[in-house]
Amino acid sequence: AQSVAQPEDQVNVAEGNPLTVKCTYSVSGNPYLFWYVQYPNRGLQFLLKYITGDNLVKGSYGFEAEFNKSQTSFHLKKPSALVSDSALYFCAVNDYKLSFGAGTTVTVRA
Amino acid sequence: DVKVTQSSRYLVKRTGEKVFLECVQDMDHENMFWYRQDPGLGLRLIYFSYDVKMKEKGDIPEGYSVSREKKERFSLILESASTNQTSMYLCASSPPVNTIYFGEGSWLTVV
Repeated sequence: AQSVAQPEDQVNVAEGNPLTVKCTYSVSGNPYLFWYVQYPNRGLQFLLKYITGDNLVKGSYGFEAEFNKSQTSFHLKKPSALVSDSALYFCAVNDYKLSFGAGTTVTVRA
Repeated sequence: DVKVTQSSRYLVKRTGEKVFLECVQDMDHENMFWYRQDPGLGLRLIYFSYDVKMKEKGDIPEGYSVSREKKERFSLILESASTNQTSMYLCASSPPVNTIYFGEGSWLTVV
């Protein structure tokens, strides 16, 4: 069975500092991994995905994620966080259906 | 841009009522999904569909049913709403094993 885990419920950073949101996965075959962001009272917006190829994936709004097969991780990163990045972030794995982590609330303080 | 439209953003229904949540996508995607989102529980899959008239149970199908009569439309049905079905419901669509696109969500309150 496929699954992802987000070990941190909350991440707090100061504006301008690097932001990392952690995700680990468990799949039986090749992983198809995704990151989504959700702003209050909105649906989920697609940020980026890893299907195959380069381990560093670049996505929307300056975000990137690093796929690490040996550590079974897919951490989301942003070099310089903005207050507007404050939101709920979900990691997901897609085998034949999409399974989500529990989500990480990111708060970026001015 | 992909558009997934959920017909109702906010609904209030009474216990025992039959509730329909409608979802339409405009990208000719094969797959459609219904999730519910609750604080601390993340997103949980209720039902999904690979094709017209085809459906499969997700992780929490009890108390729900679905209908997919046309490729672009996927309806979630609560046969007899209960207060524990108060939640945010998210519809989504995708091509096979690829990016899933979400609607804006439907907030359902059952009183």
